[in-house]
Amino acid sequence: KAGVTQTPRYLIKTRGQQVTLSCSPISGHRSVSWYQQTPGQGLQFLFEYFSETQRNKGNFPGRFSGRQFSNSRSEMNVSTLELGDSALYLCASSVAGGTGELFFGEGSRLTVL
Amino acid sequence: AQKVTQAQTEISVVEKEDVTLDCVYETRDTTYYLFWYKQPPSGELVFLIRRNSFDEQNEISGRYSWNFQKSTSSFNFTITASQVVDSAVYFCALSPSGAGSYQLTFGKGTKLSVIP
Repeated sequence: KAGVTQTPRYLIKTRGQQVTLSCSPISGHRSVSWYQQTPGQGLQFLFEYFSETQRNKGNFPGRFSGRQFSNSRSEMNVSTLELGDSALYLCASSVAGGTGELFFGEGSRLTVL
Repeated sequence: AQKVTQAQTEISVVEKEDVTLDCVYETRDTTYYLFWYKQPPSGELVFLIRRNSFDEQNEISGRYSWNFQKSTSSFNFTITASQVVDSAVYFCALSPSGAGSYQLTFGKGTKLSVIP
């Protein structure tokens, strides 16, 4: 059974650009959530999607957005990148959100120059 | 507000020693979930355990065991007879339950180094 797949694994952007990260959950999982990991702030919740609807959002500015497609795949977008957005972005999936185990992908490491 | 504290930033042990990683949490929710994850250098968070706040039974899985004490708001993790492969950063996390979704609050993590 394939795990949570995130693409791209690594990317470099410059300030002001935007970026889109993709996450394919485990087959059968309908809930996808995103987390940002930085050395200073640690792991922080970004948002969670279930059946194409955002159900929860963390304390991040509006530059951070996401969506979920009918096949449960999810994307997150960061616009007008800032140096502080450099981080490992982790996606997690679970069967229905709030139940069962929560599995993470290997993450997308974003560097903003 | 929820908070998870992992007071041990880094721990070093010699292979085959036992080691306990501490986790203390704060929440006003009456029901919640507690998690432990392992993060090896590759970056992926590996699920170790999820515990419902209703269930205070300790759990053992191979060399791993978890001690959940609601009275002290602690959920400690013990590795018995540690091995080099156990070297990683370990995170404790907390999520409210009953809301239909997970929203994890993580501790800062404990970096465990097992020395051969």
